[in-house]
Amino acid sequence: GESVGLHLPTLSVQEGDNSIINCAYSNSASDYFIWYKQESGKGPQFIIDIRSNMDKRQGQRVTVLLNKTVKHLSLQIAATQPGDSAVYFCAENNAGNMLTFGGGTRLMVKP
Amino acid sequence: DTEVTQTPKHLVMGMTNKKSLKCEQHMGHRAMYWYKQKAKKPPELMFVYSYEKLSINESVPSRFSPECPNSSLLNLHLHALQPEDSALYLCASSQDRSKSPETQYFGPGTRLLVL
Repeated sequence: GESVGLHLPTLSVQEGDNSIINCAYSNSASDYFIWYKQESGKGPQFIIDIRSNMDKRQGQRVTVLLNKTVKHLSLQIAATQPGDSAVYFCAENNAGNMLTFGGGTRLMVKP
Repeated sequence: DTEVTQTPKHLVMGMTNKKSLKCEQHMGHRAMYWYKQKAKKPPELMFVYSYEKLSINESVPSRFSPECPNSSLLNLHLHALQPEDSALYLCASSQDRSKSPETQYFGPGTRLLVL
């Protein structure tokens, strides 16, 4: 389940289950969105992106959904593996080609 | 190859020291960025270089001084830092900021501790 508080929101899932990480963005003019994965001690790693003229994009085991009406973005990971454990950040690209990051969600995969 | 490299990986410095962080990319990208990331927080933009010229300074204190010697290199010179400057410093690059929108690729970061 999810927990929100003084720490990063955390999603805990069983290995093999599907994971859904959500993100609310702020700027209705944002035209491009990126999901990054950040493992402990490493820099953010690009996972998947989506442009505002699309509402769904699929990669290998990952799908990003964009709902512009409610300014919501989600990342779905199929058959979650222990190696998926990390902090996931959404980022929106807005005016001047600048990225604004969401607060991040920690995904913990239980074996 | 979407690799951005950063050195050093770790750095410990005193408040009177002068040190530099280095970033390199060989993807032909013309935009490079410095971000600061505190624990459990998202990256915060510090500086943006586009075609080797500083285009954005997000009100960063002057004790941080960026430099872009050429299109592949980006430095961050540090002087008289404070303990609250301890953080992970991330470098990123993207192809061309004049073409929108585009992906930024991040390096592994330099973990900085100021004593």
